Amino acid sequence: KQEVTQIPAALSVPEGENLVLNCSFTDSAIYNLQWFRQDPGKGLTSLLLIQSSQREQTSGRLNASLDKSSGRSTLYIAASQPGDSATYLCAGSSNTGKLIFGQGTTLQVKP
Amino acid sequence: EAGVAQSPRYKIIEKRQSVAFWCNPISGHATLYWYQQILGQGPKLLIQFQNNGVVDDSQLPKDRFSAERLKGVDSTLKIQPAKLEDSAVYLCASSLEVNTGELFFGEGSRLTVL
Repeated sequence: KQEVTQIPAALSVPEGENLVLNCSFTDSAIYNLQWFRQDPGKGLTSLLLIQSSQREQTSGRLNASLDKSSGRSTLYIAASQPGDSATYLCAGSSNTGKLIFGQGTTLQVKP
Repeated sequence: EAGVAQSPRYKIIEKRQSVAFWCNPISGHATLYWYQQILGQGPKLLIQFQNNGVVDDSQLPKDRFSAERLKGVDSTLKIQPAKLEDSAVYLCASSLEVNTGELFFGEGSRLTVL
């Protein structure tokens, strides 16, 4: 049974800092790995999707990597801004598309 | 392109009452998901549809929850009777194909059961 864990649960950093959010999963037979952002009271916004054959994806200041053998994914945020404050969720999918979510990392970027 | 639409955004009911949530996925998306997100937790899959067929409903509490997607487009999730522990945000998501894995979520329907 796939389980997804995110560490840390909460993170507070000063503006401008580079940071890494961690995600680990128990079953290496993961198909895709997707990172989401969730603002308070809102739905989930897809940030990056790493498909089965890929190892990383980049979008702007965000870079996500996937290492299936070690059961880990990381989300790197460069030059953090107060607008990056949100909860970040990672989710691994099986080949049926079903996503298993971690509990999220709540990020606060202080001006 | 319009996103995933959900309604209502908020609903407050007494325990043992019933409630229904509606979802309209992105046009052309064959796969539709309902997730339950309890405060402070990650979303948990309740049911997955491929067109109008059920792919996975293993975590749907079938004694009180039901869902349908009759014409393979929009979907309704019903809870009857509601319990206090059903207080959560109900998120609908859709994807173009099952194996692309990229899900797009709606804003969610927040349910409070008193």
